[in-house]
Amino acid sequence: ETGVTQSPTHLIKTRGQQVTLRCSSQSGHNTVSWYQQALGQGPQFIFQYYREEENGRGNFPPRFSGLQFPNYSSELNVNALELDDSALYLCASSLSLPASYNEQFFGPGTRLTVL
Amino acid sequence: SQKIEQNSEALNIQEGKTATLTCNYTNYSPAYLQWYRQDPGRGPVFLLLIRENEKEKRKERLKVTFDTTLKQSLFHITASQPADSATYLCALGITGGGNKLTFGTGTQLKVEL
Repeated sequence: ETGVTQSPTHLIKTRGQQVTLRCSSQSGHNTVSWYQQALGQGPQFIFQYYREEENGRGNFPPRFSGLQFPNYSSELNVNALELDDSALYLCASSLSLPASYNEQFFGPGTRLTVL
Repeated sequence: SQKIEQNSEALNIQEGKTATLTCNYTNYSPAYLQWYRQDPGRGPVFLLLIRENEKEKRKERLKVTFDTTLKQSLFHITASQPADSATYLCALGITGGGNKLTFGTGTQLKVEL
């Protein structure tokens, strides 16, 4: 069983640039969630994808967008980067079933630094 | 406004003692609560899940309680070891929320020899 992987591990960008982060879900999982974790804080929910459709969004502006592919891998895109976007971006996969509250399996994260 | 609070100060305890971490929430009606462990520079790792109709859950040296009247969960690690040193996060999920979680800020635990 392969765990959740993310790429790249580290990234440095400048203000105004665009970035794409990638995530491969754990085998058999149909749901992927993205979180932003600032230093010293807990992860904050960005959005979730279930079977290629967005299934909920947190309090993040539209310049944060995502995709889920048929193999359930996912991308997070951030446009017009701002300094406050510097954070650890975490991807979590899970198997969503009706009326279930399953554990989420997190990847190691991508550390984004915006200069 | 909705809020999840965990001890912001680090908890330092001696090896062998029981560590107790607190998670308080306001303006939430969670259907379940999860606890995760996070080591520096790594993603959180799931530990335990407890549902709103459950009072207590155990797994090996771990125990979680959930009091929906007090709006509080307690997380206990018995016979603590230096390897238990990490940040512990509580996360709430709501009915109809899928697997979307709202996390607290986490409590750093240090277990000393």
